[in-house]
Amino acid sequence: DSGVTQTPKHLITATGQRVTLRCSPRSGDLSVYWYQQSLDQGLQFLIQYYNGEERAKGNILERFSAQQFPDLHSELNLSSLELGDSALYFCASSAYTGTGMETQYFGPGTRLLVL
Amino acid sequence: GNSVTQMEGPVTLSEEAFLTINCTYTATGYPSLFWYVQYPGEGLQLLLKATKADDKGSNKGFEATYRKETTSFHLEKGSVQVSDSAVYFCALSDLDSGGSNYKLTFGKGTLLTVNP
Repeated sequence: DSGVTQTPKHLITATGQRVTLRCSPRSGDLSVYWYQQSLDQGLQFLIQYYNGEERAKGNILERFSAQQFPDLHSELNLSSLELGDSALYFCASSAYTGTGMETQYFGPGTRLLVL
Repeated sequence: GNSVTQMEGPVTLSEEAFLTINCTYTATGYPSLFWYVQYPGEGLQLLLKATKADDKGSNKGFEATYRKETTSFHLEKGSVQVSDSAVYFCALSDLDSGGSNYKLTFGKGTLLTVNP
């Protein structure tokens, strides 16, 4: 158990809909990362938050957005969903040191299926 | 930009066989290197890491040495077990193109199946 929790575990929805994925980081970790894992693209970094502020952006679509709340939990919002958005979405957290050496701790993921 | 290339799977071995999963990288700076493992139905977890050239990371019988001259970080284990069946990801952490933040870049993953 990494200490990172994600809800829900599974999500089935239709094209055009909007969903929210939730992540609670490990106790004490200020940094949260979101990743998308799909068969064709592999594991892609989407976005990072640190202590409530956006820190880095990766391959995140404009239809997707995220935020980190004062209690440090984070939400990833996916809107105008397309079939190709079906994937496993991981949240990770770390005690961000700014050195690139820290370990990221991953949650169990949310499996999204868009029909 | 940064990239990680690891050997394509799947890799199928018998129990107690020797394992090597090759990983090479391209980076603009001096990255830290990681191996993460993903067991079925779970998230990724850190297996081992190395933060500078010639460092050797090791954990649970797995080893990998940071080779700057060959830009490689190959994963090895002398005797695999059925419980090692998982997907293995090589990753590097380096400054992003803006130069202000570290970012993890993952390889595509290698599926290892160990048969009894």
